[in-house]
Amino acid sequence: DAGVIQSPRHEVTEMGQEVTLRCKPISGHDYLFWYRQTMMRGLELLIYFNNNVPIDDSGMPEDRFSAKMPNASFSTLKIQPSEPRDSAVYFCASTEATGTNTQYFGPGTRLTVL
Amino acid sequence: GNSVTQMEGPVTLSEEAFLTINCTYTATGYPSLFWYVQYPGEGLQLLLKATKADDKGSNKGFEATYRKETTSFHLEKGSVQVSDSAVYFCALSPHNAGNNRKLIWGLGTSLAVNP
Repeated sequence: DAGVIQSPRHEVTEMGQEVTLRCKPISGHDYLFWYRQTMMRGLELLIYFNNNVPIDDSGMPEDRFSAKMPNASFSTLKIQPSEPRDSAVYFCASTEATGTNTQYFGPGTRLTVL
Repeated sequence: GNSVTQMEGPVTLSEEAFLTINCTYTATGYPSLFWYVQYPGEGLQLLLKATKADDKGSNKGFEATYRKETTSFHLEKGSVQVSDSAVYFCALSPHNAGNNRKLIWGLGTSLAVNP
């Protein structure tokens, strides 16, 4: 299995620009998670989906952030407009509906907003 | 509510030293417990897990035992290597979580192993 795939791996953009991060979960996994990791706040859960439906978006910091999952094999996290404080590493993870809830993480997207 | 508390880092050890990273939790029932490892520049990956009391998870020389009586899941390794330098996260999955698949995470403990 290819594991969780994220793109791009690195993104550098200027303040005010729109940023779109992409994720392909492991095939057959029903749950998809978006996390953000910074030195200041550590690992934060932003939102997660079950069968393409958002279940909990309480971690989304503000209206500038949005996430979609149009089908079982693809999700996006969009920031519009981006701000320097959005600079972080964004991780996508997925897990099955049954079993021990082991989450499998992608390699992350390192976002830098100038 | 559910919570995980890890010992603060950074932890600095010499190669071949014994490692313990403490993790305690608060939860109802019997949660599943996990240790994840994050190597520099990479995503988190599962190191080991345990799903019921007295279970011992083990992988790559690391071990952790699910202790219900002390609500603990301490990570240990008898002889660390430079390649073990990473950040280690303790996490729990609530008992009978149903549709709630959120993991409760500790803050992470950074380990640096010197040659």
